Amino acid sequence: QSALTQPPSASGSPGQSVTISCTGTSSDVGGYNYVSWYQQHPGKAPKLMIYEVSKRPSGVPDRFSGSKSGNTASLTVSGLQAEDEADYYCSSYAGSNNFYVFGTGTKVTVL
Amino acid sequence: QVQLQESGPGLVKPSETLSLTCAVSGYSISSGYYWGWIRQPPGKGLEWIGSIYHSGSTYYNPSLKSRVTISVDTSKNQFSLKLSSVTAADTAVYYCAREPGYKQDYWGQGTLVTVSS
Repeated sequence: QSALTQPPSASGSPGQSVTISCTGTSSDVGGYNYVSWYQQHPGKAPKLMIYEVSKRPSGVPDRFSGSKSGNTASLTVSGLQAEDEADYYCSSYAGSNNFYVFGTGTKVTVL
Repeated sequence: QVQLQESGPGLVKPSETLSLTCAVSGYSISSGYYWGWIRQPPGKGLEWIGSIYHSGSTYYNPSLKSRVTISVDTSKNQFSLKLSSVTAADTAVYYCAREPGYKQDYWGQGTLVTVSS
């Protein structure tokens, strides 16, 4: 099972929006509405930001939104803030044989 | 508040078995959900290792399946990971996490395990 494909980096100025893509296959992203997104600051554990494609856990700002089209999921961070600078990973359920596959990760820089 | 804490040796010799335990507080494993292990080599991305249901059913990453064993001890409210025949490629930060419904919502702080002689 190959990792989901994400761009290595993305950036934006404070207040702007940035969108990160996560491309998989019909066996993972395209086959299930179980895509999650995680934020990871250096030296810290990942934090769940989006689950089931577009749902936000309690406490996650509504500046974070998710969507999916076919085999590609996306995370959009609107109104970028300095604290949004982090690595972001997508993840998808991939069936009972593979369970979970993670993305390659995207480093978001706030300019 | 749900909390998870990994523990175990930080240094393991090549060809030996890596053993880690994840202690859970604030939630009873017996109440349900899957519980998983994820690792992250230094400077690299996340890799799912495997998950266990509170009843003991397990699912493993096919690429690691031959070397991985995950078990649960509901009496101690903890679950464990064993990875055999380790090599330098298994050097990573190992995280444990709660997995309710196809996501990881609570994570431990992670523990670095280095494979070296």
